[in-house]
Amino acid sequence: NAGVTQTPKFQVLKTGQSMTLQCAQDMNHEYMSWYRQDPGMGLRLIHYSVGAGITDQGEVPNGYNVSRSTTEDFPLRLLSAAPSQTSVYFCASSISLAGELFFGEGSRLTVL
Amino acid sequence: RKEVEQDPGPFNVPEGATVAFNCTYSNSASQSFFWYRQDCRKEPKLLMSVYSSGNEDGRFTAQLNRASQYISLLIRDSKLSDSATYLCVVKEGGFKTIFGAGTRLFVKA
Repeated sequence: NAGVTQTPKFQVLKTGQSMTLQCAQDMNHEYMSWYRQDPGMGLRLIHYSVGAGITDQGEVPNGYNVSRSTTEDFPLRLLSAAPSQTSVYFCASSISLAGELFFGEGSRLTVL
Repeated sequence: RKEVEQDPGPFNVPEGATVAFNCTYSNSASQSFFWYRQDCRKEPKLLMSVYSSGNEDGRFTAQLNRASQYISLLIRDSKLSDSATYLCVVKEGGFKTIFGAGTRLFVKA
């Protein structure tokens, strides 16, 4: 049972570089989202999607882009990495707005 | 005031102890409530939903007090394997989900 798969698990970037964090789910969930987790803070929502072709901003969207061309995939793009984007990123999916969130294993990003 | 606040940790308890975690939320219109568990360097996983009538799952009991905007989690007969961070999660409607910062629990032999 794959569930939610994130890649890469670890990444080091230099300031100004761009990259894409990949997220795929095989549960046919309509709802997908990206969170970042920083020490001493709760997970914060970056972007979310309620279905293929539909995305919206969360609490901390600046510096990130998303797209949702298929139900399965929801990549997160960092446009020009900054040290403030050093964090652990989690992708999640759910079957409904009120339903359980299923998380990927996380991607640890360091921006130098 | 934070939207969701949890007890500061860490909690250090011996095996077999009963431990209680508390959480308060600021939005009285919040709709649903959960406790998630997060092991060190792992992803959060749902522990249990929290219902107004209170609910129990084995050694775990969750309570919700809407009037006081307060959620609790009680763990009885703590096991070493309960050592983790416990996240209080509040859904306000739509896609807005607020995570508490978490409370770390260490259960000692």
